[in-house]
Amino acid sequence: GAGVSQSPSNKVTEKGKDVELRCDPISGHTALYWYRQSLGQGLEFLIYFQGNSAPDKSGLPSDRFSAERTGGSVSTLTIQRTQQEDSAVYLCASSSGTGGEKLFFGSGTQLSVL
Amino acid sequence: AQSVTQLDSQVPVFEEAPVELRCNYSSSVSVYLFWYVQYPNQGLQLLLKYLSGSTLVESINGFEAEFNKSQTSFHLRKPSVHISDTAEYFCAVSQGGFQKLVFGTGTRLLVSP
Repeated sequence: GAGVSQSPSNKVTEKGKDVELRCDPISGHTALYWYRQSLGQGLEFLIYFQGNSAPDKSGLPSDRFSAERTGGSVSTLTIQRTQQEDSAVYLCASSSGTGGEKLFFGSGTQLSVL
Repeated sequence: AQSVTQLDSQVPVFEEAPVELRCNYSSSVSVYLFWYVQYPNQGLQLLLKYLSGSTLVESINGFEAEFNKSQTSFHLRKPSVHISDTAEYFCAVSQGGFQKLVFGTGTRLLVSP
């Protein structure tokens, strides 16, 4: 596609429910990132996929968070048993993966946990 | 692991005044450094980057940043700001190659007339 696509753009859920956030990277990009943006916290790294390598999960805040990338393309971020503190904008970005290249960001999913 | 510090959460400035947004990083190895900008109601986009070579890098809209290895800094400067520069600015670092990009907490630049 022309850019990084994220869906849904907005998600309202109840505390304790599970949610899935989807990211469609730019075709051919081997690197894919998930970040979380919340007030006062800036841009928090969550997880990084690079080609066929094992993902860098060092930023996932708890075991309620998981992500997968199928076929080296689409990625899904899953949050189980959501909590109010999970409310934030979840951003996905992709890049060509060669190092030092720019990231292309999606417009994000605004998650609100009531 | 690398980290990025942006000490100023908000920088108010008058139009046509100079501005400096500070960024310091911690890493024991060579790094790539970036500034990203997020304009109101828009997505993040790359402003400029340092990979190697000249330590002074420039953007197309008049911003520049200088890589200072001894001070582990990559401050962003502009000699004369415009109202349209109002945005949030994020500094980021990676250790090069196939390494994740880590962002700072951002600095909100507020330019007033």
